[in-house]
Amino acid sequence: EDKVVQSPLSLVVHEGDTVTLNCSYEVTNFRSLLWYKQEKKAPTFLFMLTSSGIEKKSGRLSSILDKKELSSILNITATQTGDSAIYLCAVEAIGGTYKYIFGTGTRLKVLA
Amino acid sequence: GAVVSQHPSWVICKSGTSVKIECRSLDFQATTMFWYRQFPKQSLMLMATSNEGSKATYEQGVEKDKFLINHASLTLSTLTVTSAHPEDSSFYICSARPNRVLTATQYFGPGTRLTVL
Repeated sequence: EDKVVQSPLSLVVHEGDTVTLNCSYEVTNFRSLLWYKQEKKAPTFLFMLTSSGIEKKSGRLSSILDKKELSSILNITATQTGDSAIYLCAVEAIGGTYKYIFGTGTRLKVLA
Repeated sequence: GAVVSQHPSWVICKSGTSVKIECRSLDFQATTMFWYRQFPKQSLMLMATSNEGSKATYEQGVEKDKFLINHASLTLSTLTVTSAHPEDSSFYICSARPNRVLTATQYFGPGTRLTVL
């Protein structure tokens, strides 16, 4: 059965700290791995990773995929209170039709 | 670009009634749309994959007669919760997969919060 596991489940840090969120997967017909940020409503897209070892960056956020280890990390440096959210990892699979398998999410709270 | 809308944003209904939720891709076409359900403090759970012009593919444990999905055009999919009960109360989110290459492979609607009394 396909599964995506995120760790930690929950994290509380202070502003300025750096955090690393983990995502591991066991998915048949892997196509890409995606990271989303969810605040009060629907998730917003952060990164899509398809190639191993290539870091994607957007401001203070960066992410990298390791296909050998079947995992990905999302780094946030110099955290701010506005980074408080649930971070979701999803794996896109294709086997006839497209399918997205979501992890449990990591709830991040950044304290002022 | 790549906006997905959902209507309504929230709905309260009585037990036994049916509720229809619309998902529209506003500026792109999507042969494939997805319907998710999210309980408080939990991740998204895929309910079904909606394909334009064909029957939806439901995930294990999701009753297709209860959650009717219609994907009649490349920009619209609907989810109808039939004979709703309080346990159907949840946050329902749709997403659309663009037919053309964009930055992401799926874009989410803002979600619909359903409360069944």
